[in-house]
Amino acid sequence: AQRVTQPEKLLSVFKGAPVELKCNYSYSGSPELFWYVQYSRQRLQLLLRHISRESIKGFTADLNKGETSFHLKKPFAQEEDSAMYYCALSGGGGSEKLVFGKGTKLTVNP
Amino acid sequence: SAVISQKPSRDICQRGTSLTIQCQVDSQVTMMFWYRQQPGQSLTLIATANQGSEATYESGFVIDKFPISRPNLTFSTLTVSNMSPEDSSIYLCSVEDLSRAGYTFGSGTRLTVV
Repeated sequence: AQRVTQPEKLLSVFKGAPVELKCNYSYSGSPELFWYVQYSRQRLQLLLRHISRESIKGFTADLNKGETSFHLKKPFAQEEDSAMYYCALSGGGGSEKLVFGKGTKLTVNP
Repeated sequence: SAVISQKPSRDICQRGTSLTIQCQVDSQVTMMFWYRQQPGQSLTLIATANQGSEATYESGFVIDKFPISRPNLTFSTLTVSNMSPEDSSIYLCSVEDLSRAGYTFGSGTRLTVV
């Protein structure tokens, strides 16, 4: 069964500190992994996906198939990073449903 | 990427009534997805809507409760029927974003059933 686990419901860091949002997944094939972000009063939006290996707003995420993880990292957190972050998985092919984790609320304190 | 207009943005409804949520996309898309986000929970897929065919429902969701229409490639509706307080959630529509190969979401409909 497809499952995405985000173990931390809340995460609080200080500005300038490194931040890591954890995501583990369960999937029998080769999934596509995504991070979505929802800022206050805004719609859910794609942050990054593992296939593109991109860095968006200073965030990166590496797919570790051995550990079935896709942790989101940023070396120096900013206050504007405060948001709800969702890890999601799809079966690939571009037209498969997304399975979401429960989300982690990140608060970056001044 | 596609721009989605979803309405209403919020509504308060009486139990036993029905609400239809509309989702309009500014470009033609093959699939549209409807999600539910219950308070404090993550997003759960309700169904996938293809134009010209019956929607495909996920386990735990049935057409009688959540009928979906997909009359063309830019529009879909989700109806929440015979509502109860347990249906109080945020409902979102989503389409595939081919430019970034991810998915774009509407702003959501916050439904409260009293």
